[in-house]
Amino acid sequence: QQQVKQSPQSLIVQKGGISIINCAYENTAFDYFPWYQQFPGKGPALLIAIRPDVSEKKEGRFTISFNKSAKQFSLHIMDSQPGDSATYFCAASSQDDKIIFGKGTRLHILP
Amino acid sequence: KAGVTQTPRYLIKTRGQQVTLSCSPISGHRSVSWYQQTPGQGLQFLFEYFSETQRNKGNFPGRFSGRQFSNSRSEMNVSTLELGDSALYLCASSQTSTGGFTDTQYFGPGTRLTVL
Repeated sequence: QQQVKQSPQSLIVQKGGISIINCAYENTAFDYFPWYQQFPGKGPALLIAIRPDVSEKKEGRFTISFNKSAKQFSLHIMDSQPGDSATYFCAASSQDDKIIFGKGTRLHILP
Repeated sequence: KAGVTQTPRYLIKTRGQQVTLSCSPISGHRSVSWYQQTPGQGLQFLFEYFSETQRNKGNFPGRFSGRQFSNSRSEMNVSTLELGDSALYLCASSQTSTGGFTDTQYFGPGTRLTVL
């Protein structure tokens, strides 16, 4: 019940295309869902986060879609650029609880 | 504002030894969390400290311990190292005072530990 399942493990997208990464969780107590971006040799950096009271959040080219009833959330990267090539992690947490990360998606944007 | 710093960046140890890793949070941040990152298990939460108290703990054996000092700097110790402890150990800091992980966490670059 503490798992966060992330898919796909790796993704190749053409420049200008849309990258979509999906995550699913089971614990209904989770109330905070961040996405992190990690470049080689660096620590993860918060990209965008959502709480379950909204179904979508957009920041620039990055959008989180959240489906509370299905216990799923996804990251959409519009107009994907080579500089977006990185590993992306979804996570879920709740107040006074641990944070659980997905296994990560290695995204490669073809120039 | 300086980011989260971790020292050392790289470490090589042998089985049975112990190791201490250090983390300096962003100035003003009072919460420090530690994570283990491996290719197989991904990113796993170790523990979180706030105001020198361990506030949260992940599912790791007692060989993994930590502490936080009055200036919010934190250290993590692993005793009796095993080959499986080889990993990137990440530290993150946040301003949160309410517990949980709902404030933005800022990660350091990590310490790459290799156990031979």
